[in-house]
Amino acid sequence: DVKLVQSGGALIQPGGSLRLSCEASGFAVNDNFMNWVRQAPGKGLEWVSVIYTAGSTHYPDSVRGRFTVSRDTSKNTVYLQINSLRVEDTAIYYCARGTGSPSLFDYWGQGTLVTVSS
Amino acid sequence: EIVMTQSPATLSVSPGERATLSCRASESISTNLAWYLQKPGQAPRLLIFGASSRATGIPVRFSGGGSGTDFTLTISSLQSEDFAVYYCQQYSDWLRPTFGQGTKLEIK
Repeated sequence: DVKLVQSGGALIQPGGSLRLSCEASGFAVNDNFMNWVRQAPGKGLEWVSVIYTAGSTHYPDSVRGRFTVSRDTSKNTVYLQINSLRVEDTAIYYCARGTGSPSLFDYWGQGTLVTVSS
Repeated sequence: EIVMTQSPATLSVSPGERATLSCRASESISTNLAWYLQKPGQAPRLLIFGASSRATGIPVRFSGGGSGTDFTLTISSLQSEDFAVYYCQQYSDWLRPTFGQGTKLEIK
């Protein structure tokens, strides 16, 4: 069975850094497009990163330069490093697998909450 | 960026009745449209892709239609577990996927 288990959310002060993890089972992360999507409290969904099968990455302008997605194939895990955290980064962060298209999301992790506050 | 607009924001329907949700793209996306369902405290779940194809395990009461800029999601006979928030998402511009703001389907 395909499963994505996330960890790493926390309460962080503005300007801080955090790394989120997404461990996959039932498939290999390096054979798939792996994305991160976030949801601010009471708001809609916003895509924030993808790592392609070849290892290249892509981000929207809103987070480029602060967010870095990576993977460890030995652990079958994808990571999202978030630097220079802002209050507006407060959200539930989901990892999601892309299928067919890199940005058609067929499996999602359970989500992890990042709260940025002083 | 392709802007996705969903309507209505909230839809009140009685169990057993039909519900129709709408989604409009700011430019043509062919049939590169997905629908997701999100229940409180849970991650979104893929319902429909390619505008009209049901994802694995999705009941036949869910159907999607449309192409270009206008799309619909129809639930033929609402069950209690269907009351949730529904999001549409375009993946035509796969470098910049975008979601609608959501439609909350509530019990009338």
